[in-house]
Amino acid sequence: DIVMTQAPLSVSVTPGESASISCRSSKSLLHSNGITYVYWYLQKPGKSPQLLIYRMSNLASGVPDRFSGSGSETDFTLKISRVEAEDVGIYYCGQLLENPLTFGSGTKLEIK
Amino acid sequence: EVQLVESGGGLVQPGRSLKLSCAASGFTFSNYYMAWVRQAPKKGLEWVATISTSGSRTYYPDSVKGRFTISRDNAKSSLYLQMNSLKSEDTATYYCARQGATEGMGYWGQGVMVTVSS
Repeated sequence: DIVMTQAPLSVSVTPGESASISCRSSKSLLHSNGITYVYWYLQKPGKSPQLLIYRMSNLASGVPDRFSGSGSETDFTLKISRVEAEDVGIYYCGQLLENPLTFGSGTKLEIK
Repeated sequence: EVQLVESGGGLVQPGRSLKLSCAASGFTFSNYYMAWVRQAPKKGLEWVATISTSGSRTYYPDSVKGRFTISRDNAKSSLYLQMNSLKSEDTATYYCARQGATEGMGYWGQGVMVTVSS
């Protein structure tokens, strides 16, 4: 199984500052078709997860462009610029390269 | 607007069965793979099952293989999860998700709680 490891466990950010969350996979998520199958989700308190980034760097519909995704074959970063109060929640990375589909353990973002 | 509405959760004794349903609307259901993902209390996300557009192919992790069955009725735009031989570790909120070829799990339902306890 592909293990997804996130860091840090939690991050506290001042509004207006930036935050970065790291995710590392135990296997390359770069497919031979050139697509990297890593995704980022945000689960706001008491809510369902919502898609933020698909295929490593593509912004999902309706997601503010303060969010961006980048990375290589096994190391990925979600960056949130100009953090706002509404960004609080738990961020998960996940892979859809192969079954079983797996997720990271989550990174909790709090506002200072 | 894409909507996914789960139902069928509740309290069930260990070893018993339960069937979850997910009613989809706002998109052409038969064009998408669909999935179930669960989240135990205060825990992270765990993929439970995926089904192809026609229903001919299904996929499960080892933790539920042989106990859970995912199915769909494209005429009714509905997704199902039959859960047998339930264990206490199956206690979780179960989410229905649309699994698109491009966006992955782009849409999620509100979730339904399943509690396995005597």
